[in-house]
Amino acid sequence: DTAVSQTPKYLVTQMGNDKSIKCEQNLGHDTMYWYKQDSKKFLKIMFSYNNKELIINETVPNRFSPKSPDKAHLNLHINSLELGDSAVYFCASSHSGVAGNQPQHFGDGTRLSIL
Amino acid sequence: GDSVTQMEGPVTLSEEAFLTINCTYTATGYPSLFWYVQYPGEGLQLLLKATKADDKGSNKGFEATYRKETTSFHLEKGSVQVSDSAVYFCALSPQGGSEKLVFGKGMKLTVNP
Repeated sequence: DTAVSQTPKYLVTQMGNDKSIKCEQNLGHDTMYWYKQDSKKFLKIMFSYNNKELIINETVPNRFSPKSPDKAHLNLHINSLELGDSAVYFCASSHSGVAGNQPQHFGDGTRLSIL
Repeated sequence: GDSVTQMEGPVTLSEEAFLTINCTYTATGYPSLFWYVQYPGEGLQLLLKATKADDKGSNKGFEATYRKETTSFHLEKGSVQVSDSAVYFCALSPQGGSEKLVFGKGMKLTVNP
């Protein structure tokens, strides 16, 4: 009965490869997000989708391409992986709401390590 | 732009000690304010929130009050437990319906028995 689930939990790969991370939520939320958490635990939003439409894109390199096949799924594809992409990537979801005060529910994260 | 500043960690306390984690923010108007907690190996969980000035959020013995005059949302707990060991994040959501959360840098708390 996991609310927000990400796969895989760990991803180790070589520089230059292309990889995808999948995210699914069963909470009936209409908004989903990707965040990046660096080695110092700093958390920064990358993308947000509302009903499959992109609403936030925070100056992320275009090697990162989110895809939302439906409002319960938001996948993240990364091309030509670089050392600086090593981080923990978190998916989250929420209802869209007045004044942005709907709490976001987070997955357990995907730890990406680039060799 | 909008930003959140938290006190630097890590912090180590003994069980039953008093905890304060300072958080101040920069934003226009009246953002919503949140505290999230991240236990080891897990994603973030909402701890408490406040959506307007003078609101107090509380949960699991933690409290924080939205202070517009000092642009602050400090987290407090009167008596911490070992199970409170985690990373704590202060965050804001800008006024106007934006779905974006802006996080502080997080503070790691370790509570020893």
